[in-house]
Amino acid sequence: EAGVAQSPRYKIIEKRQSVAFWCNPISGHATLYWYQQILGQGPKLLIQFQNNGVVDDSQLPKDRFSAERLKGVDSTLKIQPAKLEDSAVYLCASSNTGGASYNEQFFGPGTRLTVL
Amino acid sequence: AQSVTQLGSHVSVSEGALVLLRCNYSSSVPPYLFWYVQYPNQGLQLLLKYTSAATLVKGINGFEAEFKKSETSFHLTKPSAHMSDAAEYFCAVSESGTASKLTFGTGTRLQVTL
Repeated sequence: EAGVAQSPRYKIIEKRQSVAFWCNPISGHATLYWYQQILGQGPKLLIQFQNNGVVDDSQLPKDRFSAERLKGVDSTLKIQPAKLEDSAVYLCASSNTGGASYNEQFFGPGTRLTVL
Repeated sequence: AQSVTQLGSHVSVSEGALVLLRCNYSSSVPPYLFWYVQYPNQGLQLLLKYTSAATLVKGINGFEAEFKKSETSFHLTKPSAHMSDAAEYFCAVSESGTASKLTFGTGTRLQVTL
């Protein structure tokens, strides 16, 4: 079974530029999450999708961050314009709503963003 | 609101020694608890999870954790450390239910020395 795929793995941009990250979850997983992991901290949830609907985006800085999950499969996370404090690893995860792996989240390798 | 506290941002043990990584949680409802491991430049990998069944949970790579409700703890242990165990370890909590969000601790970096 293929895992969660993310691209790009690394991205360097200057502040005020825009950037987009892509995530492909495990096939059949209805729930998709985006986390932000700042160096030295644990991951923090930015947004949670159930199929193509948003379940929780309470910690998403909506003035600059946006995310979508069209057709309930792939997802993109966008930052526009980027700030220095957005430098972090952006992790995508997916989970199933039933079966043996119930409530378990599977993580992708992450995208490391550096804002100069 | 749920939260997790990991005591000790860095832990160093000798190869072959006991590994003990501490995690205390706070949750207003019965929690699900997780330990994840993160190797450099990689995503998080699930070590083990507690979902209200047995309080002693065994995971991969010889790790185990015990849920103690009276102490609100879920400490991670391994009897004998191996060099390959060097990584960052995260404890996380979610509310029991369908696909609830995870709240992570700040992590503990485990160093294993010869």
